[in-house]
Amino acid sequence: AQSVTQLGSHVSVSEGALVLLRCNYSSSVPPYLFWYVQYPNQGLQLLLKYTSAATLVKGINGFEAEFKKSETSFHLTKPSAHMSDAAEYFCALGDAGNNRKLIWGLGTSLAVNP
Amino acid sequence: GAGVSQSPSNKVTEKGKDVELRCDPISGHTALYWYRQSLGQGLEFLIYFQGNSAPDKSGLPSDRFSAERTGGSVSTLTIQRTQQEDSAVYLCASSLGSTTEAFFGQGTRLTVV
Repeated sequence: AQSVTQLGSHVSVSEGALVLLRCNYSSSVPPYLFWYVQYPNQGLQLLLKYTSAATLVKGINGFEAEFKKSETSFHLTKPSAHMSDAAEYFCALGDAGNNRKLIWGLGTSLAVNP
Repeated sequence: GAGVSQSPSNKVTEKGKDVELRCDPISGHTALYWYRQSLGQGLEFLIYFQGNSAPDKSGLPSDRFSAERTGGSVSTLTIQRTQQEDSAVYLCASSLGSTTEAFFGQGTRLTVV
């Protein structure tokens, strides 16, 4: 069965520090993977997606994620955190890229301290 | 419109009452999805509309849940005889097609007391 696990429901970093949000998946078929972000009082927004092309995917706002098949991981990183990055981040696993079949992680709340 | 709009943003209802949640998708988007996010749970797919095709209702948790999409635009999710376990945030999303980026509304927080 397909599943997504986000390690750490809450992550806190200092402004300017590296952001690392962890996502591991389980899938019996080649996965499509997504990271979404939800800023306070806003809807979910797509940060980036992996669809079997380049394993290092660059997204908006300086975020990137690397698909590692051997580790079944798709961790999200940003070299230098900004206060505006404080939000809820969701990792999702797709079925051949069909949105309706997305399997979602529970989310990671990122706090950025001055 | 500029984005996906959902109303109301918050709804408190008594157990046993019916509720209607509204979603106004981005103009021109043919695909529309409803998801539910319960406390401590990931987003759960409920139903999917694509153009004039029959909707995919495979995620609806019970026959108390139904949804319609009128004129290929606005959608209404109806929950009959609400139960406390229906308390959740209900999210609507739309996309140009089923495999393109989905744009989400801000959600409706439903509380059943």
